[in-house]
Amino acid sequence: AQSVTQLGSHVSVSEGALVLLRCNYSSSVPPYLFWYVQYPNQGLQLLLKYTTGATLVKGINGFEAEFKKSETSFHLTKPSAHMSDAAEYFCAVGHTGANSKLTFGKGITLSVRP
Amino acid sequence: NAGVTQTPKFRVLKTGQSMTLLCAQDMNHEYMYWYRQDPGMGLRLIHYSVGEGTTAKGEVPDGYNVSRLKKQNFLLGLESAAPSQTSVYFCASSLGGRRSETQYFGPGTRLLVL
Repeated sequence: AQSVTQLGSHVSVSEGALVLLRCNYSSSVPPYLFWYVQYPNQGLQLLLKYTTGATLVKGINGFEAEFKKSETSFHLTKPSAHMSDAAEYFCAVGHTGANSKLTFGKGITLSVRP
Repeated sequence: NAGVTQTPKFRVLKTGQSMTLLCAQDMNHEYMYWYRQDPGMGLRLIHYSVGEGTTAKGEVPDGYNVSRLKKQNFLLGLESAAPSQTSVYFCASSLGGRRSETQYFGPGTRLLVL
Protein backbone atom coordinates (compact mmCIF):
# COMPACT_ATOMS: atom_id res chain seq x y z
CA ALA A 1 0.00 0.00 0.00
CA GLN A 2 1.06 3.57 -0.61
CA SER A 3 0.93 6.46 1.87
CA VAL A 4 2.24 9.99 2.24
CA THR A 5 3.18 11.95 5.35
CA GLN A 6 3.41 15.72 5.36
CA LEU A 7 4.58 16.82 8.79
CA GLY A 8 3.07 20.01 10.10
CA SER A 9 0.07 21.77 8.65
CA HIS A 10 1.45 25.29 8.29
CA VAL A 11 4.76 26.82 7.26
CA SER A 12 5.47 30.55 7.37
CA VAL A 13 8.45 32.18 5.64
CA SER A 14 9.54 35.70 4.84
CA GLU A 15 9.51 36.93 1.28
CA GLY A 16 12.87 36.04 -0.28
CA ALA A 17 13.57 33.22 2.17
CA LEU A 18 14.04 29.55 1.34
CA VAL A 19 10.89 27.45 1.10
CA LEU A 20 11.14 23.84 2.31
CA LEU A 21 8.05 21.65 2.45
CA ARG A 22 8.60 18.09 3.60
CA CYS A 23 7.08 14.92 2.22
CA ASN A 24 7.83 11.33 3.18
CA TYR A 25 6.25 8.38 1.44
CA SER A 26 5.69 4.69 1.89
CA SER A 27 5.37 2.49 -1.16
CA SER A 28 5.61 -1.23 -1.83
CA VAL A 29 6.90 -0.55 -5.34
CA PRO A 30 9.19 2.12 -6.84
CA PRO A 31 7.14 5.25 -6.21
CA TYR A 32 5.75 7.81 -8.59
CA LEU A 33 5.55 11.08 -6.65
CA PHE A 34 3.71 14.33 -7.25
CA TRP A 35 3.46 17.81 -5.78
CA TYR A 36 0.26 19.76 -6.40
CA VAL A 37 -0.52 23.35 -5.41
CA GLN A 38 -3.92 24.79 -4.54
CA TYR A 39 -4.32 28.56 -4.59
CA PRO A 40 -7.19 30.02 -2.56
CA ASN A 41 -10.62 29.03 -3.87
CA GLN A 42 -9.15 27.11 -6.81
CA GLY A 43 -8.60 23.52 -7.81
CA LEU A 44 -5.27 21.73 -7.63
CA GLN A 45 -2.63 22.07 -10.32
CA LEU A 46 0.51 20.05 -10.86
CA LEU A 47 3.79 21.61 -9.71
CA LEU A 48 6.07 18.72 -10.60
CA LYS A 49 6.33 14.95 -10.61
CA TYR A 50 8.92 12.20 -10.32
CA THR A 51 8.49 9.05 -12.31
CA THR A 52 11.87 7.60 -13.24
CA GLY A 53 15.30 8.93 -14.14
CA ALA A 54 16.79 12.12 -12.69
CA THR A 55 16.10 12.40 -8.99
CA LEU A 56 16.09 16.21 -8.98
CA VAL A 57 12.87 17.35 -10.60
CA LYS A 58 12.20 20.92 -11.65
CA GLY A 59 8.68 22.28 -11.77
CA ILE A 60 6.79 25.44 -12.44
CA ASN A 61 7.28 28.77 -10.65
CA GLY A 62 10.86 27.97 -9.59
CA PHE A 63 10.01 24.95 -7.43
CA GLU A 64 12.00 21.75 -7.41
CA ALA A 65 12.00 18.50 -5.47
CA GLU A 66 14.53 15.76 -4.92
CA PHE A 67 13.64 12.09 -4.72
CA LYS A 68 15.76 10.37 -2.04
CA LYS A 69 15.09 6.66 -1.93
CA SER A 70 17.26 6.05 1.14
CA GLU A 71 15.26 8.60 3.10
CA THR A 72 11.89 7.83 1.45
CA SER A 73 11.51 11.56 0.94
CA PHE A 74 10.42 13.96 -1.79
CA HIS A 75 10.83 17.40 -0.25
CA LEU A 76 9.77 20.52 -2.17
CA THR A 77 12.05 23.58 -2.23
CA LYS A 78 12.23 27.04 -3.71
CA PRO A 79 15.27 29.26 -3.13
CA SER A 80 13.38 32.52 -2.72
CA ALA A 81 9.75 32.79 -1.66
CA HIS A 82 7.39 35.20 -3.36
CA MET A 83 4.11 36.51 -2.00
CA SER A 84 2.31 34.72 -4.83
CA ASP A 85 3.56 31.36 -3.47
CA ALA A 86 1.08 31.52 -0.58
CA ALA A 87 -1.09 28.45 -1.11
CA GLU A 88 -1.73 24.92 0.07
CA TYR A 89 0.68 22.26 -1.14
CA PHE A 90 -0.10 18.56 -1.44
CA CYS A 91 2.30 15.69 -1.91
CA ALA A 92 0.86 12.55 -3.52
CA VAL A 93 2.01 9.05 -4.43
CA GLY A 94 0.72 6.99 -7.32
CA HIS A 95 -0.97 3.67 -6.72
CA THR A 96 0.16 0.37 -8.15
CA GLY A 97 -1.90 -0.95 -10.99
CA ALA A 98 -3.14 0.69 -14.14
CA ASN A 99 -5.59 3.20 -12.76
CA SER A 100 -3.49 6.32 -12.10
CA LYS A 101 -5.06 6.72 -8.64
CA LEU A 102 -3.27 8.93 -6.17
CA THR A 103 -2.96 8.98 -2.39
CA PHE A 104 -2.61 12.52 -1.11
CA GLY A 105 -0.99 13.83 2.03
CA LYS A 106 -2.97 16.11 4.33
CA GLY A 107 -1.45 19.23 2.80
CA ILE A 108 0.69 22.10 4.08
CA THR A 109 -0.38 25.73 4.03
CA LEU A 110 2.44 28.08 3.08
CA SER A 111 2.24 31.69 4.25
CA VAL A 112 4.67 34.32 2.98
CA ARG A 113 5.35 37.37 5.16
CA PRO A 114 6.29 40.67 3.54
CA ASN B 1 -10.05 24.49 -23.87
CA ALA B 2 -12.09 24.82 -20.70
CA GLY B 3 -10.34 21.84 -19.11
CA VAL B 4 -12.36 20.43 -16.22
CA THR B 5 -15.49 22.29 -15.18
CA GLN B 6 -17.83 21.65 -12.25
CA THR B 7 -21.44 22.64 -11.68
CA PRO B 8 -22.61 24.12 -9.34
CA LYS B 9 -19.91 26.13 -7.59
CA PHE B 10 -21.77 26.31 -4.28
CA ARG B 11 -24.87 24.66 -2.87
CA VAL B 12 -26.70 24.53 0.42
CA LEU B 13 -28.81 21.46 1.17
CA LYS B 14 -31.01 20.40 4.03
CA THR B 15 -30.47 16.99 5.62
CA GLY B 16 -32.20 14.33 3.55
CA GLN B 17 -32.28 16.27 0.30
CA SER B 18 -30.67 14.92 -2.83
CA MET B 19 -28.52 16.55 -5.45
CA THR B 20 -26.21 15.82 -8.36
CA LEU B 21 -22.84 17.39 -9.00
CA LEU B 22 -21.77 17.57 -12.62
CA CYS B 23 -18.19 17.31 -13.88
CA ALA B 24 -17.31 17.87 -17.52
CA GLN B 25 -13.96 17.65 -19.30
CA ASP B 26 -13.10 18.56 -22.87
CA MET B 27 -9.67 16.90 -23.06
CA ASN B 28 -10.91 13.49 -24.24
CA HIS B 29 -9.58 11.91 -21.05
CA GLU B 30 -10.45 8.31 -20.28
CA TYR B 31 -10.18 8.46 -16.49
CA MET B 32 -12.22 10.65 -14.16
CA TYR B 33 -12.29 10.97 -10.36
CA TRP B 34 -14.33 12.50 -7.59
CA TYR B 35 -12.60 13.64 -4.39
CA ARG B 36 -13.72 15.35 -1.24
CA GLN B 37 -11.49 17.79 0.62
CA ASP B 38 -11.91 18.35 4.34
CA PRO B 39 -9.69 20.47 6.62
CA GLY B 40 -6.66 18.51 7.81
CA MET B 41 -7.66 15.44 5.78
CA GLY B 42 -6.20 16.20 2.37
CA LEU B 43 -8.10 14.82 -0.61
CA ARG B 44 -9.88 11.50 -0.38
CA LEU B 45 -11.10 9.57 -3.39
CA ILE B 46 -14.85 8.90 -3.46
CA HIS B 47 -15.36 7.12 -6.80
CA TYR B 48 -13.56 6.95 -10.09
CA SER B 49 -14.15 5.83 -13.65
CA VAL B 50 -11.73 4.24 -16.10
CA GLY B 51 -13.94 4.81 -19.11
CA GLU B 52 -17.43 5.49 -20.39
CA GLY B 53 -19.97 3.25 -18.68
CA THR B 54 -17.61 2.10 -15.92
CA THR B 55 -17.28 3.23 -12.30
CA ALA B 56 -15.46 1.98 -9.22
CA LYS B 57 -15.36 2.73 -5.51
CA GLY B 58 -12.61 4.77 -3.96
CA GLU B 59 -11.61 5.29 -0.37
CA VAL B 60 -14.83 6.90 0.95
CA PRO B 61 -17.75 5.81 -1.29
CA ASP B 62 -20.54 5.46 1.28
CA GLY B 63 -23.48 7.82 0.72
CA TYR B 64 -22.50 8.64 -2.87
CA ASN B 65 -23.33 7.25 -6.29
CA VAL B 66 -21.78 8.06 -9.65
CA SER B 67 -22.49 7.62 -13.33
CA ARG B 68 -20.40 7.98 -16.49
CA LEU B 69 -22.89 7.77 -19.34
CA LYS B 70 -20.79 9.96 -21.62
CA LYS B 71 -17.01 10.02 -21.78
CA GLN B 72 -16.83 13.73 -21.08
CA ASN B 73 -19.16 13.76 -18.06
CA PHE B 74 -18.92 12.26 -14.58
CA LEU B 75 -21.84 12.77 -12.20
CA LEU B 76 -21.72 12.50 -8.43
CA GLY B 77 -25.03 11.97 -6.63
CA LEU B 78 -26.05 12.33 -3.03
CA GLU B 79 -29.35 10.52 -2.50
CA SER B 80 -29.96 11.66 1.07
CA ALA B 81 -27.56 14.34 2.20
CA ALA B 82 -26.10 14.30 5.71
CA PRO B 83 -24.18 17.02 7.58
CA SER B 84 -21.08 14.80 7.39
CA GLN B 85 -21.12 15.36 3.64
CA THR B 86 -20.43 19.05 4.07
CA SER B 87 -17.20 19.41 2.13
CA VAL B 88 -15.50 20.75 -0.96
CA TYR B 89 -15.81 18.34 -3.87
CA PHE B 90 -13.25 18.18 -6.64
CA CYS B 91 -13.46 16.40 -9.92
CA ALA B 92 -10.32 15.41 -11.82
CA SER B 93 -9.46 13.67 -15.05
CA SER B 94 -6.42 11.99 -16.57
CA LEU B 95 -5.57 10.83 -20.05
CA GLY B 96 -5.03 7.21 -19.12
CA GLY B 97 -4.22 4.80 -16.35
CA ARG B 98 -0.45 4.88 -16.20
CA ARG B 99 1.03 5.61 -12.79
CA SER B 100 2.83 8.63 -14.20
CA GLU B 101 -0.34 10.31 -15.44
CA THR B 102 -1.10 13.84 -14.32
CA GLN B 103 -4.56 14.48 -12.97
CA TYR B 104 -6.26 17.75 -13.98
CA PHE B 105 -8.62 19.25 -11.44
CA GLY B 106 -11.77 21.31 -11.65
CA PRO B 107 -12.35 24.41 -9.51
CA GLY B 108 -14.44 22.59 -6.91
CA THR B 109 -17.99 22.62 -5.53
CA ARG B 110 -18.60 23.80 -1.99
CA LEU B 111 -21.47 21.89 -0.39
CA LEU B 112 -23.05 22.78 2.94
CA VAL B 113 -25.55 20.36 4.44
CA LEU B 114 -27.64 21.79 7.25
